[in-house]
Amino acid sequence: QSALTQPASVSGSPGQSITISCTGTSSDVGGYKYVSWYQQHPGKAPKLMIYDVSNRPSGVSNRFSGSKSGNTASLTISGLQAEDEGDYYCSSYTSSSTVVFGGGTKLTVL
Amino acid sequence: QVQLVQSGAEVKKPGASVKVSCKASGYTFTSYAISWVRQAPGQGLEWMGWISAYNGNTNYAQKLQGRVTMTTDTSTSTAYMELRSLRSDDTAVYYCARIFSGYDSFDYWGQGTLVTVSS
Repeated sequence: QSALTQPASVSGSPGQSITISCTGTSSDVGGYKYVSWYQQHPGKAPKLMIYDVSNRPSGVSNRFSGSKSGNTASLTISGLQAEDEGDYYCSSYTSSSTVVFGGGTKLTVL
Repeated sequence: QVQLVQSGAEVKKPGASVKVSCKASGYTFTSYAISWVRQAPGQGLEWMGWISAYNGNTNYAQKLQGRVTMTTDTSTSTAYMELRSLRSDDTAVYYCARIFSGYDSFDYWGQGTLVTVSS
């Protein structure tokens, strides 16, 4: 199972919006509603930000939103803040009943 | 509050085995499955597999089949991950995580266990 494709890096200024894409296939992202997004800060465990494509867990800011079109899922962060800087990973359920992660995207807040 | 507390760092020689524990508290252990995820130094996340804490059913990543075994002890609310025939590229931080919804959403994570494989 190949990793999902994410851009290596994205950047934005405080207050702006950014979008991170996550491209898979019809056997993972495109075939199921099970796409999640994680934020990871250096030396810390990942934190769930979005699950089931577009749902936010309790306590996650509504500045974070998720969507999907075909084989590509997207995470949008609006009103960018300094604390949003970190690594972001998407994940998806697959037709093999396994889970695959994206390669990760480093978000820099300028 | 929900907590997953993992065992401490390990240093192993190539060819050896390692068993990492993950003790859960703050929720009904058998109501949620546990997944294991690892992260090599400076690299991304890699899904290793999951185990149902309810009935012990497992599913492992194909590349680890035959080398990994995940188990649970419901009497102590503890999940275990054993990896055998260790190689240098198994050096990573190993995380346990509770599966929240569907199959790939992990809402609580352990603090991570660094496993170093070196001769």
